[in-house]
Amino acid sequence: EDQVTQSPEALRLQEGESSSLNCSYTVSGLRGLFWYRQDPGKGPEFLFTLYSAGEEKEKERLKATLTKKESFLHITAPKPEDSATYLCAVQPTGGATNKLIFGTGTLLAVQP
Amino acid sequence: GAVVSQHPSRVICKSGTSVKIECRSLDFQATTMFWYRQFPKQSLMLMATSNEGSKATYEQGVEKDKFLINHASLTLSTLTVTSAHPEDSSFYICSARLAGRTGELFFGEGSRLTVL
Repeated sequence: EDQVTQSPEALRLQEGESSSLNCSYTVSGLRGLFWYRQDPGKGPEFLFTLYSAGEEKEKERLKATLTKKESFLHITAPKPEDSATYLCAVQPTGGATNKLIFGTGTLLAVQP
Repeated sequence: GAVVSQHPSRVICKSGTSVKIECRSLDFQATTMFWYRQFPKQSLMLMATSNEGSKATYEQGVEKDKFLINHASLTLSTLTVTSAHPEDSSFYICSARLAGRTGELFFGEGSRLTVL
């Protein structure tokens, strides 16, 4: 069964304290892996798409990497405005092309 | 670009009534839109895929007679929760994909439904 597991469930950082969020996945085949940011009471905001192992994408303080079994979202010198829930989703190659399978997210809190 | 707007953002209704939620793609045409449901501390669950001009495709376990989806134009999809009950209270989010893209979804702001 296709599955996405994110860890940790919650993470509290001091401003400037770099860290990484993990997304482990189990799929028969990977069409793509996606990272989203979700603020409370809002819809997810697209961050990155990764398609193959070894691929990396960067945006400001965020960097996403991908291996054959997991993806990391590295946050360098975070600021309080980076506080949000970060969601990982995979799109399997089998089945409907529309379907994304989401993890439960990592709630990040960055304290000043 | 790729802005998806959802309305209303919050709605409270009495048990037994029906509620309609609108999802619009503001700056692009979306032949396909997706409706998700999210419970607190749980992942987004795909409810149905809305196809312009044809019937929606529902995920297993989602009652199509309860969650009516209409996609009458290339920029508008609606979700109607019929005869709502307290257990239907949830956060409903729509999304759309740019033509030619296979995975990247753009989400609306979400609609918080509370059924009393």
